Amino acid sequence: EAAVTQSPRNKVAVTGGKVTLSCNQTNNHNNMYWYRQDTGHGLRLIHYSYGAGSTEKGDIPDGYKASRPSQENFSLILELATPSQTSVYFCASGDIPGSSYEQYFGPGTRLTVL
Amino acid sequence: GDSVIQMQGQVTLSENDFLFINCTYSTTGYPTLFWYVQYSGEGPQLLLQVTTANNKGSSRGFEATYDKGTTSFHLQKTSVQEIDSAVYYCAMRGKANSAGNKLTFGIGTRVLVRP
Repeated sequence: EAAVTQSPRNKVAVTGGKVTLSCNQTNNHNNMYWYRQDTGHGLRLIHYSYGAGSTEKGDIPDGYKASRPSQENFSLILELATPSQTSVYFCASGDIPGSSYEQYFGPGTRLTVL
Repeated sequence: GDSVIQMQGQVTLSENDFLFINCTYSTTGYPTLFWYVQYSGEGPQLLLQVTTANNKGSSRGFEATYDKGTTSFHLQKTSVQEIDSAVYYCAMRGKANSAGNKLTFGIGTRVLVRP
C-alpha cells in the first residue's frame, strides 16, 4: 500500500535554531508537497517538487527551504526557526495517473518553536 | 489567482442529523474540486473528487456536487454518525495551480457528532 511517512512526529526547537523535517514516500510519485496547518488558515502550501533535484515555491515560502535529493525523499528546512513557525506540518505526494489528482498525506509533524 | 472560501468553522450535530457544508471557489477555466477528511491525529485523506459540474460524487454515504453557475460546491450526508466526527476540507485544482498539480484548500470545517 502506498505510504507517506514523516519524521520526527514531534519536535521542540529553540528560536534561531535549525530544524529539518523529513518526508519519505513509497508511492513512486513525481510530485511532493509541504503544507502547514493552522487554525483559521487551513492547509497552506510552502514548497513543492516535480521530482528529484527540483524545488518550487508555494504560497508561503518565506523562512523555509526545501530539498528533494531523490524520488522518495523531500525535506523542509527552517534555517532560523521563529515562534511564528510553530505549527503542524504535512507532507504529501501526488501524481496524475489517468484523471485522478489525489494527494496522499503523511501523518504530520507537530513543531513547537520556543 | 485561485481561491476557495469555506465559511463554517465548526458544526455540532447529533447522530442521524443532516450534514451540509458549502464552499465557493474562484478560478478561470474548469476546476477539479475535492473534499478531504481529516480524523484526529491523522493526515487529510481524499473523501470525494468532482470533476464535472452538476455531476455527483459519492463515497461512504457522502455526496458532493458543484454548481458552475454559482461557483459553489458542497458536501452532504443524510444521516451522520459519531464516526463522521472530523475536519472536512474543500479543495480545488484550478487553472492557475495546474502546474505541479497544486491544490488550494479551504480553512476546514470541524464536524462534531454527538451520540
